[in-house]
Amino acid sequence: SQQGEEDPQALSIQEGENATMNCSYKTSINNLQWYRQNSGRGLVHLILIRSNEREKHSGRLRVTLDTSKKSSSLLITASRAADTASYFCATDRGADGLTFGKGTHLIIQP
Amino acid sequence: EAGVVQSPRYKIIEKKQPVAFWCNPISGHNTLYWYLQNLGQGPELLIRYENEEAVDDSQLPKDRFSAERLKGVDSTLKIQPAELGDSAVYLCASSPGMTSGGYDTQYFGPGTRLTVL
Repeated sequence: SQQGEEDPQALSIQEGENATMNCSYKTSINNLQWYRQNSGRGLVHLILIRSNEREKHSGRLRVTLDTSKKSSSLLITASRAADTASYFCATDRGADGLTFGKGTHLIIQP
Repeated sequence: EAGVVQSPRYKIIEKKQPVAFWCNPISGHNTLYWYLQNLGQGPELLIRYENEEAVDDSQLPKDRFSAERLKGVDSTLKIQPAELGDSAVYLCASSPGMTSGGYDTQYFGPGTRLTVL
């Protein structure tokens, strides 16, 4: 079963704009990870945020985690055409391993 | 550093035929995962190995799927016989192992796209 649920399912923005994707989950977690998948390729790890962290940055990426609301957001600033991909959140619930959501499909229009 | 290698990249077979997928993880990674990804969905775990031991295979349909990781390095996932519903992308991933904070970053291979006719 897929615990994480990304929102929106699809997002289309202009190049240079910021993109925000959200992830909601149901049970307590050890950490939450975000991955990117370009069409026809494997997933690439973007960022990991632990349950005791609230915000993390990596380049143009900013991830927040609100454990009280069981939600996380991924912000991509100053988007580029190369950011077009599907983005997945994955929750680590310990013994159950990583559980991936269905993903947000992001399209950056030039 | 070489990434996770999978072969073949694409496979087309007729139903009831057997098929096998091969994965070579990143050198030194003790943990190996096999995932199934259907179109428009996220990956779903089939089996996880810690070295050569399968520690989580609860989602593996054992009547037709089997996996092995001899010597704790390469792994093979087999389906016999394949059914139409098995058409999907099969992803292999590896990670150094567990950290004090839970599961570590996973590194994915490009996947094998299986089409069952």
